[in-house]
Amino acid sequence: GQQLNQSPQSMFIQEGEDVSMNCTSSSIFNTWLWYKQDPGEGPVLLIALYKAGELTSNGRLTAQFGITRKDSFLNISASIPSDVGIYFCAGLSTSGTYKYIFGTGTRLKVLA
Amino acid sequence: EAGVVQSPRYKIIEKKQPVAFWCNPISGHNTLYWYLQNLGQGPELLIRYENEEAVDDSQLPKDRFSAERLKGVDSTLKIQPAELGDSAVYLCASSLAGGYNEQFFGPGTRLTVL
Repeated sequence: GQQLNQSPQSMFIQEGEDVSMNCTSSSIFNTWLWYKQDPGEGPVLLIALYKAGELTSNGRLTAQFGITRKDSFLNISASIPSDVGIYFCAGLSTSGTYKYIFGTGTRLKVLA
Repeated sequence: EAGVVQSPRYKIIEKKQPVAFWCNPISGHNTLYWYLQNLGQGPELLIRYENEEAVDDSQLPKDRFSAERLKGVDSTLKIQPAELGDSAVYLCASSLAGGYNEQFFGPGTRLTVL
């Protein structure tokens, strides 16, 4: 099935560092969601974006809805060990029925 | 408030056997989704319900997969017969009415087909 491109695929960072990841699409989306998934659990919603250019924060997390509506970015500031996990983006496709298309995931590992 | 509940959490079966997964959405959420998540990938939609109606089942392999949401609340996803390639995590999610709202996921059922 269709999946969005996420970059990087994986990253190892030191505790306290900032993290940036992005998600790109060839299609225009009207909504972007960012999720975090821990091993053996379902994805947990972190941030929702509804408007091009929108910048939204949730604690140490900040996400942006790209101006072209074809991309989105997630930043984590001052990473901590519990930030470890897989981060997924999801874009809302409105061609046909409403459907969220998920990214391939960014695997984050934090070194204490 | 209780989240999305799924059971079982883990299931191991032999190929050609049937298997069923159950999901209870967040109270008040009329929309229910079943997703398939293969190892190392993001979730992919199998079917979406608005109340009792399956409004998008275009990605559901109907030769062996079936789903129902008879009373518009909880739902069951069935595979019969299971194949080796069906080994994956099956996620249920729910949202307020309409496929454009934020979705909340359950913990998933990890299926292993031997």
